[in-house]
Parts: sequence; C-alpha cells; structure tokens
Amino acid sequence: NAGVTQTPKFRVLKTGQSMTLLCAQDMNHEYMYWYRQDPGMGLRLIHYSVGEGTTAKGEVPDGYNVSRLKKQNFLLGLESAAPSQTSVYFCASTGSGNEQFFGPGTRLTVL
Amino acid sequence: SQKIEQNSEALNIQEGKTATLTCNYTNYSPAYLQWYRQDPGRGPVFLLLIRENEKEKRKERLKVTFDTTLKQSLFHITASQPADSATYLCALDAAGNMLTFGGGTRLMVKP
Repeated sequence: NAGVTQTPKFRVLKTGQSMTLLCAQDMNHEYMYWYRQDPGMGLRLIHYSVGEGTTAKGEVPDGYNVSRLKKQNFLLGLESAAPSQTSVYFCASTGSGNEQFFGPGTRLTVL
Repeated sequence: SQKIEQNSEALNIQEGKTATLTCNYTNYSPAYLQWYRQDPGRGPVFLLLIRENEKEKRKERLKVTFDTTLKQSLFHITASQPADSATYLCALDAAGNMLTFGGGTRLMVKP
C-alpha cells in the first residue's frame, strides 16, 4: 500500500496563478483533510471531507476550494494564489481508528 | 478561545536520558489526545492515542499521560537515542474526527 500520496512535491507560482494539489489514499478511508503548516503556527486545517461528494470548511478556508469526487482522492485548489499562501501543505486521511495518516507534503512558494 | 500549547523552544538532552515533552490546553474537553512525530521535510507520523478515561499509555519506550484536571499531557521517551531527534506534535480531537494541533516541540538527543 502506498498510503497517502501527494502531487506535486514542490511548486512555485506567481501571484494570481491557479493550481490544484492532488491527494490520493489507498486505505479506503472515509475522512480526508487538507492542512497547511507554517513556522510557529503548527498544522492548521483548511478543508476536510467526511465522505465522497462531501466537503466542509476548516479553520483557514479562505482562498482555497476542494473537491472529493472519488473516495480515494481529495483535491485542493487555489484559484488566485497570493504570497500569504506560501506554505507546506499536507493531506491526511483517517478511517475508524482516529489516528490520521499523512502524506509527504507539498511545498508551495507564491512569488 | 481554544488553545493548545507546546514548548516552542527545542529540548536538548543527552542520549540515554528520559525526554519529557508537555502539551497544555485550555477551553477544551477532548475525548482523546494524540501524539505525532515529524521529521524535517516529511509528514507527521502517528505515535500514540490516549482517551480521557485513561491516565497513562505505553508503547515500547514511549509513555503518555493525560490529566484532564490539569488539562495537560506529558510525553516521555525513555532511554532516548539520537534517532529520536524530531519534532513532536500533540493533537486534540475538536469534533467529528477532526484534530487541532499544537505547534510542536523539537527534541534533540545528543550522543
């Protein structure tokens, strides 16, 4: 099992550009999450999904959109990137055991 | 507002000693608390989960305590090794399989 995978691993955007981050899990988990991690701020929840076709806002959702069209995939979109969105983005999933399984992260720089 | 505090300063200890990390929280009544390990450039990895009705939990050289009166969890690593050097995150359940993370404490174990 690959667990949780994220693509891309690195990306540099210019202000105003758009992009989509892809998260995939092969553990048949219902719950999936997108976090951002900034120095001194810890992990902050952006959006989450409790099942295929459902999404909900987390702590810091502004400037991001998500979609969960398939159970195994959770997409995070930035429609118009801003320098404040420079961060490391982590996807995670969980089944019934409460512990979350994290992907390797995507390092995004917005110039 | 809800708040989770971990010592933001790095903890430096000598190999073989016991490392003790602290997680304090306010305005929470969590049903459980989790600890994760994060290595540089990688996603967090789940270590232990302790429920509100459990005082202590152990896993190999790891021990976690949970005091709901003090609103505090202590994370111990006995017989520490340089390979234990990492950042350790505590997380509390917010609701519905969501977690709120502390900022993490970096542990450095010197040979």
